[in-house]
Amino acid sequence: GNSVTQMEGPVTLSEEAFLTINCTYTATGYPSLFWYVQYPGEGLQLLLKATKADDKGSNKGFEATYRKETTSFHLEKGSVQVSDSAVYFCALSQAGTALIFGKGTTLSVSS
Amino acid sequence: DGGITQSPKYLFRKEGQNVTLSCEQNLNHDAMYWYRQDPGQGLRLIYYSQIVNDFQKGDIAEGYSVSREKKESFPLTVTSAQKNPTAFYLCASTVGRNSNQPQHFGDGTRLSIL
Repeated sequence: GNSVTQMEGPVTLSEEAFLTINCTYTATGYPSLFWYVQYPGEGLQLLLKATKADDKGSNKGFEATYRKETTSFHLEKGSVQVSDSAVYFCALSQAGTALIFGKGTTLSVSS
Repeated sequence: DGGITQSPKYLFRKEGQNVTLSCEQNLNHDAMYWYRQDPGQGLRLIYYSQIVNDFQKGDIAEGYSVSREKKESFPLTVTSAQKNPTAFYLCASTVGRNSNQPQHFGDGTRLSIL
């Protein structure tokens, strides 16, 4: 069945460091891919999405490219801020089914 | 503003008690979902509904029940059969069956055992 695998955290960075959170998926066909962010005590917010191969989703300085050949959707940001500290979830959706989430990666950024 | 409202924010359950978590959306979305979040386990699907008066079990439906009598409402009941209910519960909705559309989430309800 479909699944999503994220790198385990926590990821601890200093402000202005480069961020990569790895995400790979298993699915038949062509799923849509998403990154969600969760701040403490809150629900999930959509960060970015990509719906077909080679699409790049971007928002708030974060980017992720849908790579069909490596079944990956890695999240990157060139310079993180303290306010980026949160839990990040990679997810996929296919044929109108519910989202399938990775286990989440906690990011902690210090000044 | 359109969105999803979950209530209450915190809920305590006594042993043997059923409790109901509320989820209301004013986004005119067809599909609604309930997820359970435990530390280190990501989100797991409990139930979902794609149209009024119809719903489907997710991966961990045992000990839970739902109803979908109105498009905007999708309450979740945690029954006494759920032996480990302590978790963060998230409700979500999306436009419909199109997988390109993202889900919108409420702010969650944290359920604890007394």
